[in-house]
Amino acid sequence: GDSVTQMEGPVTLSEEAFLTINCTYTATGYPSLFWYVQYPGEGLQLLLKATKADDKGSNKGFEATYRKETTSFHLEKGSVQVSDSAVYFCALSDNDYKLSFGAGTTVTVRA
Amino acid sequence: EPEVTQTPSHQVTQMGQEVILRCVPISNHLYFYWYRQILGQKVEFLVSFYNNEISEKSEIFDDQFSVERPDGSNFTLKIRSTKLEDSAMYFCATHSGLNTEAFFGQGTRLTVV
Repeated sequence: GDSVTQMEGPVTLSEEAFLTINCTYTATGYPSLFWYVQYPGEGLQLLLKATKADDKGSNKGFEATYRKETTSFHLEKGSVQVSDSAVYFCALSDNDYKLSFGAGTTVTVRA
Repeated sequence: EPEVTQTPSHQVTQMGQEVILRCVPISNHLYFYWYRQILGQKVEFLVSFYNNEISEKSEIFDDQFSVERPDGSNFTLKIRSTKLEDSAMYFCATHSGLNTEAFFGQGTRLTVV
């Protein structure tokens, strides 16, 4: 079945550092890929998505490229801020629209 | 901005008791989901609901679980006889149609003691 594996945390960074969170997936079809973010005390919010191979999703300075050849969707940001501290979830959705999530990566950015 | 609202935010219940978790979806949304996350584990799909019936359910969603949308607004998840292992964060998610973004509620933390 479908599954997502993402880099385990927690990850602690200084402000303006480069962030990357690895995500790989297994799917039988051609899934859409997502990154969700959960800020403290809030629900899951869609951060970015890509629906087909080589698509790049981007939002709030974050980027991720759908790599079919490596079945990956790594999240990157060039310069993180304290406000980026959150839990990040990689997810995929196959044709049935339900989401399969990774375990989540907790990111803490220190001033 | 429209949002999905879940109540309560935190519930503590005794083992064997029934609990009902409530979700108010965004008004024009037609597809509804429950997910759960046991502490330290993945967010797991429980059930999807469309057109007043279950579309799909996972192995977790056994006879102890049920969902309904009794009044056309609230979307509820009922656990009939809670077990310790039901302790988790439960998320409701909704979206308006195919290929649209899913919006999540802030979650209900259920603690079974």
